[in-house]
Amino acid sequence: QQQVKQSPQSLIVQKGGISIINCAYENTAFDYFPWYQQFPGKGPALLIAIRPDVSEKKEGRFTISFNKSAKQFSLHIMDSQPGDSATYFCAASKTSGSRLTFGEGTQLTVNP
Amino acid sequence: EPEVTQTPSHQVTQMGQEVILRCVPISNHLYFYWYRQILGQKVEFLVSFYNNEISEKSEIFDDQFSVERPDGSNFTLKIRSTKLEDSAMYFCASRPGTGGIVGYFGAGTRLSVL
Repeated sequence: QQQVKQSPQSLIVQKGGISIINCAYENTAFDYFPWYQQFPGKGPALLIAIRPDVSEKKEGRFTISFNKSAKQFSLHIMDSQPGDSATYFCAASKTSGSRLTFGEGTQLTVNP
Repeated sequence: EPEVTQTPSHQVTQMGQEVILRCVPISNHLYFYWYRQILGQKVEFLVSFYNNEISEKSEIFDDQFSVERPDGSNFTLKIRSTKLEDSAMYFCASRPGTGGIVGYFGAGTRLSVL
């Protein structure tokens, strides 16, 4: 019940394309859904987060879409750039400060 | 950009030995966390720490593990008697007070137990 499932495991996109990463959760008590971006040799860094009272949140080229009834949320990266190449983790928690349950991670490669 | 600093970046130890992983959280943060990632697996929560005591721990965090904030800047994770299965990347994180979010994790310490 605590799981968060993420797909795909890896993704290759051409520069300027749209990258889409999907996550599904089971625990309806989750109330905070962040995405983290991790570059090689660095720790994960918060990219964008959403709460289930909204269906979409956009910050620049990054958008989270949230479907509460399906218990799914996704990250869309518009106009993907080579600098976006990184590992992306979705996560969920009961509050913004409580323990995070992570997805498996998606390794994104954006080709020039 | 604020930074969580972890040392060492790589620790090699023999099975049964004690290790201490060190973290310097972001200044003025009040909540501290340890997570770990076994190679090829998910990042998993270990423990959270606030006001000099454990606020939550996972089933992974058994009696072999302990955490401490020995001074005003460091946050440590001790594994008393390491096992092969403790080999993993250990991440430290911190956040401000109530309502704050975990913005950054440290770069991690890769622990290799031989």
